[in-house]
Amino acid sequence: DVKVTQSSRYLVKRTGEKVFLECVQDMDHENMFWYRQDPGLGLRLIYFSYDVKMKEKGDIPEGYSVSREKKERFSLILESASTNQTSMYLCASNEDRGEQYFGPGTRLTVT
Amino acid sequence: DQQVKQNSPSLSVQEGRISILNCDYTNSMFDYFLWYKKYPAEGPTFLISISSIKDKNEDGRFTVFLNKSAKHLSLHIVPSQPGDSAVYFCAASAGKAAGNKLTFGGGTRVLVKP
Repeated sequence: DVKVTQSSRYLVKRTGEKVFLECVQDMDHENMFWYRQDPGLGLRLIYFSYDVKMKEKGDIPEGYSVSREKKERFSLILESASTNQTSMYLCASNEDRGEQYFGPGTRLTVT
Repeated sequence: DQQVKQNSPSLSVQEGRISILNCDYTNSMFDYFLWYKKYPAEGPTFLISISSIKDKNEDGRFTVFLNKSAKHLSLHIVPSQPGDSAVYFCAASAGKAAGNKLTFGGGTRVLVKP
């Protein structure tokens, strides 16, 4: 059974803090993705990676960075959290252009 | 500039009737389309997909129709069941040249009344 796990389901951070969100997949997928979901805006792509140590900007990369040191792990970093980064963060993975498998999401609140 | 749009934010339907969800896109490079279903506090799960070489794909109660000339796709759920109450997202892909990434619509919240 395919599995994408995310390090936290709920997270509360203060403005200016550095935040790490981790994602692990056990399907040996090449591609991994980070999205944020906001009401009415759907899922917007922040960053994606198609190989270890490779990364590409998505549609809204500002204020975020990523790291992929191992194939199964893709981390999203908020260098200095701001209140407008309060959102649901979703990680996904896939192989080629197949369906993306999503983790359960991390609801991040920045106060 | 939203390349994938779901113009109906919500839909209410009686159990047993048909649910029709619509999605429009603007990028003519999209050649693969998917529908996802999302329950609260869970990640989206894949429902059904369609390639641009087809105009219809069916899987049980779910059928997706694609009208390339109109840049429009729709998802039909028949018969609708209370467990279908969720948010549905359509998504589109332009393939490897675009990094195999998906562009999502804003979602449609479906409520199926018993």
